[in-house]
Amino acid sequence: GQQLNQSPQSMFIQEGEDVSMNCTSSSIFNTWLWYKQDPGEGPVLLIALYKAGELTSNGRLTAQFGITRKDSFLNISASIPSDVGIYFCAGRESGGGADGLTFGKGTHLIIQP
Amino acid sequence: DVKVTQSSRYLVKRTGEKVFLECVQDMDHENMFWYRQDPGLGLRLIYFSYDVKMKEKGDIPEGYSVSREKKERFSLILESASTNQTSMYLCASSFLGREQYFGPGTRLTVT
Repeated sequence: GQQLNQSPQSMFIQEGEDVSMNCTSSSIFNTWLWYKQDPGEGPVLLIALYKAGELTSNGRLTAQFGITRKDSFLNISASIPSDVGIYFCAGRESGGGADGLTFGKGTHLIIQP
Repeated sequence: DVKVTQSSRYLVKRTGEKVFLECVQDMDHENMFWYRQDPGLGLRLIYFSYDVKMKEKGDIPEGYSVSREKKERFSLILESASTNQTSMYLCASSFLGREQYFGPGTRLTVT
């Protein structure tokens, strides 16, 4: 199946820094989802986006549905140690099968002391 | 809160054994999914179901089957486990066209 291009693959940051990551696709999507996965656990939904241009926040996290409908961004402000983990984007094409979700390969966030 | 539970967190089975992985959701979701997650390969869809007794193949259905006899329960079956089926298995559920919620995962090792 199709893969989303998620970048960066990994990030090494200092506690307190802001974080940005993004996903891009060659197809137009009608849904973007952002998940966080801790080691040995299942992904946990952070933010769901359903409209082009939509900007949604969840605490220190903010995600945007790109205006072209081919990309999405996730920002984390003032990172803290518990933000460590793998962040996945997922998108749904209009009319896609299997409820159409395609997943990125994840951004591994590492916070240096 | 949406709750998706999986029957086991860790499982060790021998090659050739029949393996059952169970998933239960409590949100009356129509859709349920089984994925496997492997390093470098990301999440890959094995099977999904959009209603009781309905199932559709995903991207990698070979060596697996599924069963959905009740709306809240979706089972993944490995008919004859092989070492290349060692993986993290994730169940998810959703309303049609909405966000998917995942269970905690089952780490399966086949020896």
